[in-house]
Amino acid sequence: EDKVVQSPLSLVVHEGDTVTLNCSYEVTNFRSLLWYKQEKKAPTFLFMLTSSGIEKKSGRLSSILDKKELFSILNITATQTGDSAVYLCAVENTGAGSYQLTFGKGTKLSVIP
Amino acid sequence: DGGITQSPKYLFRKEGQNVTLSCEQNLNHDAMYWYRQDPGQGLRLIYYSQIVNDFQKGDIAEGYSVSREKKESFPLTVTSAQKNPTAFYLCASRGGGLHFGNGTRLTVT
Repeated sequence: EDKVVQSPLSLVVHEGDTVTLNCSYEVTNFRSLLWYKQEKKAPTFLFMLTSSGIEKKSGRLSSILDKKELFSILNITATQTGDSAVYLCAVENTGAGSYQLTFGKGTKLSVIP
Repeated sequence: DGGITQSPKYLFRKEGQNVTLSCEQNLNHDAMYWYRQDPGQGLRLIYYSQIVNDFQKGDIAEGYSVSREKKESFPLTVTSAQKNPTAFYLCASRGGGLHFGNGTRLTVT
């Protein structure tokens, strides 16, 4: 059974801090790993990672994948209160000719002024 | 604008009633998905459909049913057999990643 484990489950930081969120996985027929940010409603897409060691960056957010050790990290530098959200990690497999995503439970980040 | 529309945003039902959640997309995506989200549980796959007139069970399909008669539409019915239906339901379609609707929060009392 595919498995995605995120840590920590929740985190409280002060504005300006740097945070690292972790995602480890066990999945057959790995295709990609995705990060989403979820505030009140629909998750919004952040990154899709398919290759090891290549950092993806968007503003203060960055992410990298290690396919040998089966994990990914999401970094947020100079955090702001608007970064407060649940961050979801999902792994996509290609079993049985179809694409399926398995999600972790998420990391709830709270950024306090 | 292209996107996924879920309706209604909030839904309240009495125990024992079936209820249908709507999901419509105009992204021309073939694959569509239904997820359930409970506090502290992440997203769990209920059903998915790769193409019109075809769908498969996900990890927690018991007590749910779907149909896919049109490419644009993938409604989810929560039946009275679902033991714990109160949750946040997310519909998604796939095209270069997963695109989500804004969800329906179902409360059954």
